Amino acid sequence: EIVLTQSPGTLSLSPGERATLSCRASQSVSSSYLAWYQQKPGQAPRLLIYGASSRATGIPDRFSGSGSGTDFTLSISRLEPEDFAIYYCQQYGSSPHNFGQGTKLEIK
Amino acid sequence: EVQLVQSGAEVKKPGESLKISCKGSGYSFSSYWIGWVRQMPGKGLEWIGIIYPGDSDTRYSPSFQGQVTISADKSISTAYLQWSSLKASDTAMYYCARRVAQFDYWGQGTLVTVSS
Repeated sequence: EIVLTQSPGTLSLSPGERATLSCRASQSVSSSYLAWYQQKPGQAPRLLIYGASSRATGIPDRFSGSGSGTDFTLSISRLEPEDFAIYYCQQYGSSPHNFGQGTKLEIK
Repeated sequence: EVQLVQSGAEVKKPGESLKISCKGSGYSFSSYWIGWVRQMPGKGLEWIGIIYPGDSDTRYSPSFQGQVTISADKSISTAYLQWSSLKASDTAMYYCARRVAQFDYWGQGTLVTVSS
């Protein structure tokens, strides 16, 4: 099964700064079947990015995804206060469709 | 509007059985996979498995195979996650989600607490 490793574990930044989150897979993710989710305390996860780089409906364009194969990145161009949350990547190309362990984006 | 509404919080004792539910609306329930995800207290997301309500085809993560059972009743647009004998380590929030390929819509979660 594919193991996803996210880095860093915690990222401390200020509003207005750019965030770069990494997701590395233990083997190639087929057809870039890689998604990113955002989760805030007490809430269910929310889909941000699918197919490695496509934004889900209603997601602001400050969120972007890139990568292929085993290395993927989620970028947030200018952090807004509501962006501070935990972010998870997930591969859905081969079963089990595992998640990464998450990156906590916190206010510096 | 697509909605997934999960059953309410449960408090159970070790060894008891439990079945939680996830009711879909606003789309053709039989035509999309439904997945279940576990989140233990203060921890990350874990993929349990998925079911296709149209024919009940089911896939499990090896980590959960034999520990839980996923089922669905397409006549009432509802998917289920069940345990035959709960353990304290089953204490967690459980989410259902619609799978188009990625999980695009999520339920609100069901908190399961197992304590003697």
